[in-house]
Amino acid sequence: EDQVTQSPEALRLQEGESSSLNCSYTVSGLRGLFWYRQDPGKGPEFLFTLYSAGEEKEKERLKATLTKKESFLHITAPKPEDSATYLCAVQAAGGFKTIFGAGTRLFVKA
Amino acid sequence: GAGVSQSPSNKVTEKGKDVELRCDPISGHTALYWYRQRLGQGLEFLIYFQGNSAPDKSGLPSDRFSAERTGESVSTLTIQRTQQEDSAVYLCASSLSWGESYGYTFGSGTRLTVV
Repeated sequence: EDQVTQSPEALRLQEGESSSLNCSYTVSGLRGLFWYRQDPGKGPEFLFTLYSAGEEKEKERLKATLTKKESFLHITAPKPEDSATYLCAVQAAGGFKTIFGAGTRLFVKA
Repeated sequence: GAGVSQSPSNKVTEKGKDVELRCDPISGHTALYWYRQRLGQGLEFLIYFQGNSAPDKSGLPSDRFSAERTGESVSTLTIQRTQQEDSAVYLCASSLSWGESYGYTFGSGTRLTVV
């Protein structure tokens, strides 16, 4: 069964303290791995798509990387406005649905 | 429109009543998805539409749940005889086509509370 597990459930950082969020996945043929950001009371906002092991994508202070079993979202020198829930999701080859993990809640304190 | 619009934003209903949730996707987006998000949990897939057909409705929890879509436009998710466990945020998303590499565009959701 296709599955996505994210860790940690919650992460508290000081402003400027870099860290990484983990997404482990099991899928029968990966078509794509996605990262989203979700703010309270809003729908998820798309960040990145990764397709194959070794691929990296960057956006401002965020960098996503992909291996055959995991993806990492690296946050460099975070700011309080980076506080949100970060969701990882996978789409299996031959399937229509995207399967989401439970997310990591990130809190960045000034 | 500029984004995915969902209505109502909040709905409180009594157990046993039927509710209808509406989603207006981005114009031109042929793919439409419904997800459910319970408090503190991830998104749970419900149904996928391509145009007005539903190639994958494997996530609908029971026969109390149904959904339809008019052409490549509005979709409604109907929950009959609501139960307390149906309380959740129901999110709609759309994309240009299935497997869109730019990901989905989500609405802000309908928060359903069954009392």
